[in-house]
Amino acid sequence: SQQGEEDPQALSIQEGENATMNCSYKTSINNLQWYRQNSGRGLVHLILIRSNEREKHSGRLRVTLDTSKKSSSLLITASRAADTASYFCAARRSNAGGTSYGKLTFGQGTILTVHP
Amino acid sequence: EPEVTQTPSHQVTQMGQEVILRCVPISNHLYFYWYRQILGQKVEFLVSFYNNEISEKSEIFDDQFSVERPDGSNFTLKIRSTKLEDSAMYFCASRVRQANTEAFFGQGTRLTVV
Repeated sequence: SQQGEEDPQALSIQEGENATMNCSYKTSINNLQWYRQNSGRGLVHLILIRSNEREKHSGRLRVTLDTSKKSSSLLITASRAADTASYFCAARRSNAGGTSYGKLTFGQGTILTVHP
Repeated sequence: EPEVTQTPSHQVTQMGQEVILRCVPISNHLYFYWYRQILGQKVEFLVSFYNNEISEKSEIFDDQFSVERPDGSNFTLKIRSTKLEDSAMYFCASRVRQANTEAFFGQGTRLTVV
């Protein structure tokens, strides 16, 4: 089974609109992280939400986590052309009774295009 | 702001050759990782390294791969005999010891095997 599957695969919006991306996972997690990747570049960490948290904010970003549905969403408000990038969720599986070394399982990502 | 640095940014190698990808993790971090991303695909975990040994590895990380932390600052990934399918972006990442902390990724090394 795969962790961290996002939808939609691609999202195209106008500047100023909100963008919502969803992520689902299959096993219990310690936390879920969202990363951004500009074309062909490195992964930039955006936000981490722990399994006991339901919502977290950072600037224009809002992340929710529903552990009962094993899903998370990333909302970018008032989008800008500079937000154009791929967005990935990455799940860190919980390892009950054992040691977790922090391996992340990434989803396929959502390609966000924000038109000026 | 501290960052994970990777060199080279791009490497082209012939099939069958050995390559070493280099990373300098953030200095107070204790967990180190390598991931790879084949063009157009998801980022895949290769290996984690803690306390000078491999702590976890994926099925991708076979005998052709090895990692080393030779001098307390560098963290390297070696591919002994590269194959065409090893062509990918390779990312190094590191994080602190505390649980529930984010991993910081480098800019990646794009490896092209010809």
